[in-house]
Amino acid sequence: AQKITQTQPGMFVQEKEAVTLDCTYDTSDQSYGLFWYKQPSSGEMIFLIYQGSYDEQNATEGRYSLNFQKARKSANLVISASQLGDSAMYFCAMREDTMEYGNKLVFGAGTILRVKS
Amino acid sequence: DTGVSQDPRHKITKRGQNVTFRCDPISEHNRLYWYRQTLGQGPEFLTYFQNEAQLEKSRLLSDRFSAERPKGSFSTLEIQRTEQGDSAMYLCASQGAEQYFGPGTRLTVT
Repeated sequence: AQKITQTQPGMFVQEKEAVTLDCTYDTSDQSYGLFWYKQPSSGEMIFLIYQGSYDEQNATEGRYSLNFQKARKSANLVISASQLGDSAMYFCAMREDTMEYGNKLVFGAGTILRVKS
Repeated sequence: DTGVSQDPRHKITKRGQNVTFRCDPISEHNRLYWYRQTLGQGPEFLTYFQNEAQLEKSRLLSDRFSAERPKGSFSTLEIQRTEQGDSAMYLCASQGAEQYFGPGTRLTVT
């Protein structure tokens, strides 16, 4: 069964510094996708970044990059130049890319990030 | 705004009452998902629709829960005889290339 582990319940980072949020995963599938979502206190889930299991390059989206280490089954999110508005809960999620399972997402427990001024 | 809307945003109900939530996905998306998120946890999958067909249901979806997606457009999630343990955020997501979530419906059962 798929499993996502986020070992950091909470993180602090100084404004303008970079921060890494950890995510490890477990799956027996060869084809899968890894996602990061941001959830502010208002509750909506905001899609940040996606990495496919066959992608050779690490995904980047603006200030977000995904450090994908397939052999170690890790998919850490790196946020560069942190801003106060980055304070939120961050979830790592995985999707098995098989039609049979309908592409549902399995989420980790999340990491609360607080950016200090 | 992701283009996925949910109604209502908040619902307070007494134990034993029935509640119904609505999700309007992005119009061109065929796939629609329901998730439940309890406090301090990540969302958990409940059920999934491909057009109007409900193709998968989680074991979390007890017989008090029912979901529909008539005509493959909007979807409804009904909870009958609500219990305090049903208090949670109910999230809907529609899928094109990725899953885009609505703002959620926060249910409080008193």
